[in-house]
Amino acid sequence: AQSVTQLGSHVSVSEGALVLLRCNYSSSVPPYLFWYVQYPNQGLQLLLKYTTGATLVKGINGFEAEFKKSETSFHLTKPSAHMSDAAEYFCAVSFSGGGADGLTFGKGTHLIIQP
Amino acid sequence: GAVVSQHPSWVICKSGTSVKIECRSLDFQATTMFWYRQFPKQSLMLMATSNEGSKATYEQGVEKDKFLINHASLTLSTLTVTSAHPEDSSFYICSAADVGRGSPLHFGNGTRLTVT
Repeated sequence: AQSVTQLGSHVSVSEGALVLLRCNYSSSVPPYLFWYVQYPNQGLQLLLKYTTGATLVKGINGFEAEFKKSETSFHLTKPSAHMSDAAEYFCAVSFSGGGADGLTFGKGTHLIIQP
Repeated sequence: GAVVSQHPSWVICKSGTSVKIECRSLDFQATTMFWYRQFPKQSLMLMATSNEGSKATYEQGVEKDKFLINHASLTLSTLTVTSAHPEDSSFYICSAADVGRGSPLHFGNGTRLTVT
């Protein structure tokens, strides 16, 4: 079985500050990991994914995440927050790189950007 | 890039009626599509896996007769909420994988269902 834990249902940072959203996973096999962003009343947009290879993954909108097997973590970071980053962020795990087995999502973290 | 179109984006229906939601892959063939349900301020819960040309696979606790899934072609899956009740009000999101390109899941923009 696989599961995803996102620490902190809400994270608030000031505009220009570092964004750190935490994600830990549990999987009995090597996982594939994803971060998605969701704006109100919309679907999900893929920010980045880890399948194999380099453990530091760069995504869109300046986000990146690092896969740390020893810590079973895949935290999402961005050096400088913008107001437009305010949204809901979901970490997800899959057994396949394409997510063709369906994704298991964390409960989400609501990112608030303070002006 | 690959796009998944979901229709309608919102629907209001009366209790006891049925509602059909469509999910289309616009520029790729999707042998597998997924249907998720999302309650307000909560995560997405996988409801079922829709397989083209065969029966859908439902997650534990999801009523098959309540949520009918049809995947009649490689680009279209439909979810029908039958005899809807207010507790079925939710945000439903579909996704599809472009397996041929090995790309990750693409999500539709969701359907907000309100049952009165």
